[in-house]
Amino acid sequence: AQTVTQSQPEMSVQEAETVTLSCTYDTSENNYYLFWYKQPPSRQMILVIRQEAYKQQNATENRFSVNFQKAAKSFSLKISDSQLGDTAMYFCASSYNNAGNMLTFGGGTRLMVKP
Amino acid sequence: DTGVSQDPRHKITKRGQNVTFRCDPISEHNRLYWYRQTLGQGPEFLTYFQNEAQLEKSRLLSDRFSAERPKGSFSTLEIQRTEQGDSAMYLCASSLLQGLTDTQYFGPGTRLTVL
Repeated sequence: AQTVTQSQPEMSVQEAETVTLSCTYDTSENNYYLFWYKQPPSRQMILVIRQEAYKQQNATENRFSVNFQKAAKSFSLKISDSQLGDTAMYFCASSYNNAGNMLTFGGGTRLMVKP
Repeated sequence: DTGVSQDPRHKITKRGQNVTFRCDPISEHNRLYWYRQTLGQGPEFLTYFQNEAQLEKSRLLSDRFSAERPKGSFSTLEIQRTEQGDSAMYLCASSLLQGLTDTQYFGPGTRLTVL
């Protein structure tokens, strides 16, 4: 079984600044995948970034990057140059292909970007 | 390219009634997942299909719940004899399994309120 923990229920950041959201996970699998999803208010879940556990290089997608520390089972999300549209719930999730790739989600972090 | 669609978007029902939700995945996606999300929490896995075969069911899926994916296209999730505890957002996601990995794309969800 996998567990995902997000220890920051809420965070805020000023527009144009950088913010880091934390996530830790626990798994006994070797081949697994990690994800960050964004859920804006009253809108659908959107994939932000994805990391394969076998890859040592941290994934990046424009202003979004991760810090993947496999030994520490840590997977944080850094948002650079925060924009008002980044305001949302952010969910960290994991999956592994021996379980059909079903996603196990953390409890979420509510991010508010302030003008 | 249309995304995942779900119908209805909102459903209000009285306790004890049956309800059925529909999910239309992204065209040619061979996997379809159902999740349940209660207010302020991360989604929880319910079940998934690969083509028309239902391969995994969570312990959360009591015998009042049934899901189908005839012909491997759209899927339905039925809840019989609804209870107030069934009130939640029901999310559908689809993916294209290529090799061992896939990325899930979510629909807008169906919000169920049981009175």
